[in-house]
Amino acid sequence: QQQVKQSPQSLIVQKGGISIINCAYENTAFDYFPWYQQFPGKGPALLIAIRPDVSEKKEGRFTISFNKSAKQFSLHIMDSQPGDSATYFCAARGDNYGQNFVFGPGTRLSVLP
Amino acid sequence: DAGVIQSPRHEVTEMGQEVTLRCKPISGHDYLFWYRQTMMRGLELLIYFNNNVPIDDSGMPEDRFSAKMPNASFSTLKIQPSEPRDSAVYFCASSMTQDQPQHFGDGTRLSIL
Repeated sequence: QQQVKQSPQSLIVQKGGISIINCAYENTAFDYFPWYQQFPGKGPALLIAIRPDVSEKKEGRFTISFNKSAKQFSLHIMDSQPGDSATYFCAARGDNYGQNFVFGPGTRLSVLP
Repeated sequence: DAGVIQSPRHEVTEMGQEVTLRCKPISGHDYLFWYRQTMMRGLELLIYFNNNVPIDDSGMPEDRFSAKMPNASFSTLKIQPSEPRDSAVYFCASSMTQDQPQHFGDGTRLSIL
């Protein structure tokens, strides 16, 4: 019940295309859903986050869509660039678990020039 | 702003040796987390501290692992004795409060031969 499922495992997109990564969760106690971006040799860095009281949040080219009834959320990267090539992790946290984040397994994104 | 600082960046040692990983959190952050990242298991939370006190160590895999936080600016993760299956990237992260995002260091890549 604490798992967060993430797909696809890897994704190849042409420059200028849209990258879409999907996550699903089971535990309805989760109330905070961040996305992290990780470049090789670096730690994950917070990219964008959403709470379940909104269905969408946009920051620049990055958008989170949230479907509370389906317990799913997704990251959309518009106008994907080669510099976006990285591994993306969705995560979830609920008050019942204090500060314990549950991370998805990650999606390796490659944006071709 | 100095981020989370981890040392060493790389560690290669022989099985059976003691390994000590170090972390300096961001000043003013009350929470500190240790994670392990592997291809097979992804990002796993090992232990976290609040105001230097260990709150949840349920993710620590075995008694060979121990973590301390003697003061607000320093934490160690120790493995004794080390085994090849401990090879992974170990991340330290910190956050200001329960509601603030976690900031990750660049990790220690540990290889046990």
